[in-house]
Amino acid sequence: AQKVTQAQTEISVVEKEDVTLDCVYETRDTTYYLFWYKQPPSGELVFLIRRNSFDEQNEISGRYSWNFQKSTSSFNFTITASQVVDSAVYFCALRMGNTGKLIFGQGTTLQVKP
Amino acid sequence: DAGVIQSPRHEVTEMGQEVTLRCKPISGHDYLFWYRQTMMRGLELLIYFNNNVPIDDSGMPEDRFSAKMPNASFSTLKIQPSEPRDSAVYFCASSQDPYSNQPQHFGDGTRLSIL
Repeated sequence: AQKVTQAQTEISVVEKEDVTLDCVYETRDTTYYLFWYKQPPSGELVFLIRRNSFDEQNEISGRYSWNFQKSTSSFNFTITASQVVDSAVYFCALRMGNTGKLIFGQGTTLQVKP
Repeated sequence: DAGVIQSPRHEVTEMGQEVTLRCKPISGHDYLFWYRQTMMRGLELLIYFNNNVPIDDSGMPEDRFSAKMPNASFSTLKIQPSEPRDSAVYFCASSQDPYSNQPQHFGDGTRLSIL
């Protein structure tokens, strides 16, 4: 079965702290894709990043970075020097290579306090 | 470029009424997805289309729900008759080839309340 687990339901940090959001996935497929989406308080879902199962290179984009480790089936997301505008629900999602279907985790609510 | 456009943004109606949600995908995207978001079940895929043809409707909860895509630029999700448990946020998303690493781009959602 395919599954995405985001064990952290809610995280609260103070502005400028670093924060890591965990994502663990389960799949038997050798080809799959991982995604992170952000849902701010306004409600829309914003695509952040994608990763292929055969590309374990980590990625940095400004204050955001992603750590993909196949050995532990994890795709964690770190925000460096968090800001109030980072407050949102963050979703990790998994898609197998032979289907268009996205399986979402339950989401992690991040609150960044000033 | 215009993103995925959904209408209405909010819908409040009484139980038993027909509800129609609308979606315009991003131009050039051949795949269209309908999702539902609730506190209990999170984000779940209801149905998706490729070139206007339904590919997987296994997530459609029951016969009260139906979805159509009459052309490449328009899709509807209908609930008839509606029930209070249908209250949720419904998202439409579109994508180029999703069988690769192409992401799905989401609309702003329709917040549906059934009284």
